Amino acid sequence: GENVEQHPSTLSVQEGDSAVIKCTYSDSASNYFPWYKQELGKGPQLIIDIRSNVGEKKDQRIAVTLNKTAKHFSLHITETQPEDSAVYFCAASSAGGTSYGKLTFGQGTILTVHP
Amino acid sequence: GAGVSQTPSNKVTEKGKYVELRCDPISGHTALYWYRQSLGQGPEFLIYFQGTGAADDSGLPNDRFFAVRPEGSVSTLKIQRTERGDSAVYLCASSLGGPTGELFFGEGSRLTVL
Repeated sequence: GENVEQHPSTLSVQEGDSAVIKCTYSDSASNYFPWYKQELGKGPQLIIDIRSNVGEKKDQRIAVTLNKTAKHFSLHITETQPEDSAVYFCAASSAGGTSYGKLTFGQGTILTVHP
Repeated sequence: GAGVSQTPSNKVTEKGKYVELRCDPISGHTALYWYRQSLGQGPEFLIYFQGTGAADDSGLPNDRFFAVRPEGSVSTLKIQRTERGDSAVYLCASSLGGPTGELFFGEGSRLTVL
């Protein structure tokens, strides 16, 4: 089955700096790669996703890049703010067809943004 | 409310007892998922419903775990003869299904087995 590795496990940055989180996956059939943000006591919330037919996607301060040859994808957050502090998860899916919702998640990155 | 609702938010039980966890998805969402999240880990897939039927139950760890969605809306995850290793947060998510992809998660049910 699919295996997703995520690093770093913790990341501490100063407000205004950039943060980068990296993930690798094992199943070459995976074609959907979402990123979720989870705050304490809450369920994960989708922040951005990318499909295998594109290499990069950007939404305001957040961007994701995908390298299918190397089987890795990354999350980039620019101009970080204290409210960006949370646990971030990458995920991969090869379900296709009926649903992309059967996800394999990484282990998570605890991001702390210091004011 | 407009989001995915899960009850109870917290459940403490004794080893060997039976537990039911309920999920009320977003209205109109045909796809429903159960995930389990252990402390410090990412969510792990358990089962996926499309409508009333379980389309994929490959993530259920053993036959003590069972889930139903009889009318294609509310789902119940049932755990028999609970074990201490079942302690985790059980997350439910729903989506429109198809290739839109986005899962909307509830806040989870935290299960503690003593």
